[in-house]
Amino acid sequence: AQTVTQSQPEMSVQEAETVTLSCTYDTSENNYYLFWYKQPPSRQMILVIRQEAYKQQNATENRFSVNFQKAAKSFSLKISDSQLGDTAMYFCAFRVPLTGTASKLTFGTGTRLQVML
Amino acid sequence: DTGVSQDPRHKITKRGQNVTFRCDPISEHNRLYWYRQTLGQGPEFLTYFQNEAQLEKSRLLSDRFSAERPKGSFSTLEIQRTEQGDSAMYLCASSPNREPYLSTNEKLFFGSGTQLSVL
Repeated sequence: AQTVTQSQPEMSVQEAETVTLSCTYDTSENNYYLFWYKQPPSRQMILVIRQEAYKQQNATENRFSVNFQKAAKSFSLKISDSQLGDTAMYFCAFRVPLTGTASKLTFGTGTRLQVML
Repeated sequence: DTGVSQDPRHKITKRGQNVTFRCDPISEHNRLYWYRQTLGQGPEFLTYFQNEAQLEKSRLLSDRFSAERPKGSFSTLEIQRTEQGDSAMYLCASSPNREPYLSTNEKLFFGSGTQLSVL
């Protein structure tokens, strides 16, 4: 079974500063996908960034980037130039793309990020 | 395209009552998922549909839960004889995947959920 661990229940950052959210996972699979989702107060889960395990290059999406360490099973999210709109719960998630199964994401427990003026 | 829509946004019910939630996926999305999110936890997979066929159910989905997607468009999730442990947010997601069991490059679009409180 796969597990996802987010050890930081809450974090805060000043506007325009950089913050890193941690995520570790456990799996015996070699091919998988990792995700960071954002859940603002509106409750809608929004995909922030995705990483494919077979790709060594870290994914980036504008101000969001990841540090993917496959051997260490670590997948941290870095948010640069933090904005007030980044305030939300952030969930790390994992999926094994097996034929014969749907996109069953395994989520961590989340990190609540507060961006302050 | 207005995204995935869920109704109602909030539902308060008494223990033992039946409740039904509705999800309208993005138009022409073939695949539809239900997830449950309890307080302080991430969402957990409940079930999914490929068009009108329910192809997989989690062990979390007890006999009191039933989901349907009669015409391959909107879906309903019914909980019979609700219990306090059913209190959670029920999230719906959809994706355009056409292959029933292939999820290699799938992207999910989530709704804003239905928050259920069982008193």
